Amino acid sequence: TQLLEQSPQFLSIQEGENLTVYCNSSSVFSSLQWYRQEPGEGPVLLVTVVTGGEVKKLKRLTFQFGDARKDSSLHITAAQPGDTGLYLCAGAGRGGSNYKLTFGKGTLLTVNP
Amino acid sequence: EAQVTQNPRYLITVTGKKLTVTCSQNMNHEYMSWYRQDPGLGLRQIYYSMNVEVTDKGDVPEGYKVSRKEKRNFPLILESPSPNQTSLYFCASSLIGQLYNEQFFGPGTRLTVL
Repeated sequence: TQLLEQSPQFLSIQEGENLTVYCNSSSVFSSLQWYRQEPGEGPVLLVTVVTGGEVKKLKRLTFQFGDARKDSSLHITAAQPGDTGLYLCAGAGRGGSNYKLTFGKGTLLTVNP
Repeated sequence: EAQVTQNPRYLITVTGKKLTVTCSQNMNHEYMSWYRQDPGLGLRQIYYSMNVEVTDKGDVPEGYKVSRKEKRNFPLILESPSPNQTSLYFCASSLIGQLYNEQFFGPGTRLTVL
């Protein structure tokens, strides 16, 4: 059973388009992190959201944590080829431990010039 | 430069031949962890360590061993590798005092077991 479901699994868009990636769970997490992974490299942390309903912006990226802290979304405005990569969400707090991260399977984003 | 390093980056071996993948971090992090990444399965935690001499199983520990004798190092040991352990392995570290366990990942080790 996958505790964190990400959708879509694959996304290919043109430069300049907007997109939203979703991360859903039936479990409550104390925090949720978003990472981006480029080919041949390890994941790199983008943001951590903690409070239900929280919205964080990182340039053209907007992250939202659901009110019930079970889901999150990542919205990219005017996507650029440099945004291409695997986007991973990870929830902390499962089993009462903030030190155990549960990862989603990821969304592979391709932004075509 | 703050970083997590892994060695080797690529390894091809045969079934049953013991191997060790090293992981080292220079950020004085207490927490270290090993993950494997497989197509369609995502990142799954193998083992983690909260500090020196403190280790615990993650979601997929079978067939792996770890040790934490020094704070900076967290080697992953495969005593008798099998083909189903062919995967991309990542080591990660973070501060314990940090509330949300934001992890720094190494560059990965691609292991093929024939």
